[in-house]
Amino acid sequence: GEDVEQSLFLSVREGDSSVINCTYTDSSSTYLYWYKQEPGAGLQLLTYIFSNMDMKQDQRLTVLLNKKDKHLSLRIADTQTGDSAIYFCAESTLGSGSARQLTFGSGTQLTVLP
Amino acid sequence: DTAVSQTPKYLVTQMGNDKSIKCEQNLGHDTMYWYKQDSKKFLKIMFSYNNKELIINETVPNRFSPKSPDKAHLNLHINSLELGDSAVYFCASSQGGLDQPQHFGDGTRLSIL
Repeated sequence: GEDVEQSLFLSVREGDSSVINCTYTDSSSTYLYWYKQEPGAGLQLLTYIFSNMDMKQDQRLTVLLNKKDKHLSLRIADTQTGDSAIYFCAESTLGSGSARQLTFGSGTQLTVLP
Repeated sequence: DTAVSQTPKYLVTQMGNDKSIKCEQNLGHDTMYWYKQDSKKFLKIMFSYNNKELIINETVPNRFSPKSPDKAHLNLHINSLELGDSAVYFCASSQGGLDQPQHFGDGTRLSIL
């Protein structure tokens, strides 16, 4: 979506760290999300961060939020081949009906090389 | 048990036909959604229902009609299918506000011949 931008592709070597970046536009977003989509499957909620937090860590995943720059990143430590997937960033935005809704980025295809 | 289940998983049909996709969630959530994912993986919300009431109705052709018989089900009926309707349709659900974490089904892959 035009409100949420991500780079389309990222390749890393197995065992390295991956950093997937996202920029968003709605400064009033309450939550920001990372979803993972494996081939032929639905979106799996990976993690999310409340807008008053700067960082959230969950095992190999670290989310960093820079509200000033409206920048969100997802770091995956010790990347494995099973991490190969499309990663979607999403922000909550005010929709046309004045209800909040999720707006997704275009997704980043992460390829983990052996 | 699958939390959000959609049927069918694959749907291949001819232009002009009418088809339905069903969605059920067993999470006890009060809000359900339909999304469309195009061939470039771009995901866009179509509809949202909260306790059987339509909350979000984005710019979608009126050939698409959602129906929510109860808060655990949200079905999508599509009339007069067109080539451009080919996509993956995802159902999702959440509890509370529309910006709360959403749980997705595995998608229905619709192909129009």
